Amino acid sequence: DAGVTQSPTHLIKTRGQQVTLRCSPKSGHDTVSWYQQALGQGPQFIFQYYEEEERQRGNFPDRFSGHQFPNYSSELNVNALLLGDSALYLCASIRAGIYGYTFGSGTRLTVV
Amino acid sequence: GEDVEQSLFLSVREGDSSVINCTYTDSSSTYLYWYKQEPGAGLQLLTYIFSNMDMKQDQRLTVLLNKKDKHLSLRIADTQTGDSAIYFCAESDYGGATNKLIFGTGTLLAVQP
Repeated sequence: DAGVTQSPTHLIKTRGQQVTLRCSPKSGHDTVSWYQQALGQGPQFIFQYYEEEERQRGNFPDRFSGHQFPNYSSELNVNALLLGDSALYLCASIRAGIYGYTFGSGTRLTVV
Repeated sequence: GEDVEQSLFLSVREGDSSVINCTYTDSSSTYLYWYKQEPGAGLQLLTYIFSNMDMKQDQRLTVLLNKKDKHLSLRIADTQTGDSAIYFCAESDYGGATNKLIFGTGTLLAVQP
């Protein structure tokens, strides 16, 4: 049973560019959350998608946007990249009745 | 406000017990979690506890919860070198298991052979 899969695993972008990260949730899960983990820090919640709608949002600017597709997969988009956006981006999935999100291995984004 | 705090580093010898501590501030948290992160990897759920429980044991792992002091601990018995990793405690926001997680800064556990 595949867990949460994320792509790409690593990415290097230039300041000002835009990036799209992708996530496929664990089979049977319908809720997807995205987290940003800066080096040496704990993950910070970006937003959560359920039924193709953003349900919760953390303290991130509008440059961060997302989408959930009918098959529950999700994308995270970041516009106008800043050096400070360099981090590990983690996708996590869950469904009602399950305790504890399942996390993917993350996408390491480096902005130069 | 929401805040989860952990000590940054713990070093133990192989075979000893490890105790990782965490304090949280959100009294409405219903679920509390421990996650493990190995270098370059995502987060692996180790265990969780409901706020109406005092203790939960799962093989080598024991979780203790002091709700009055908002203190959570993870005890790893017979610690092995493979347990070396960063351990995060997390609380779920506003009591829902599918709600956002608020993580601590993580505790680096180093197990010496």
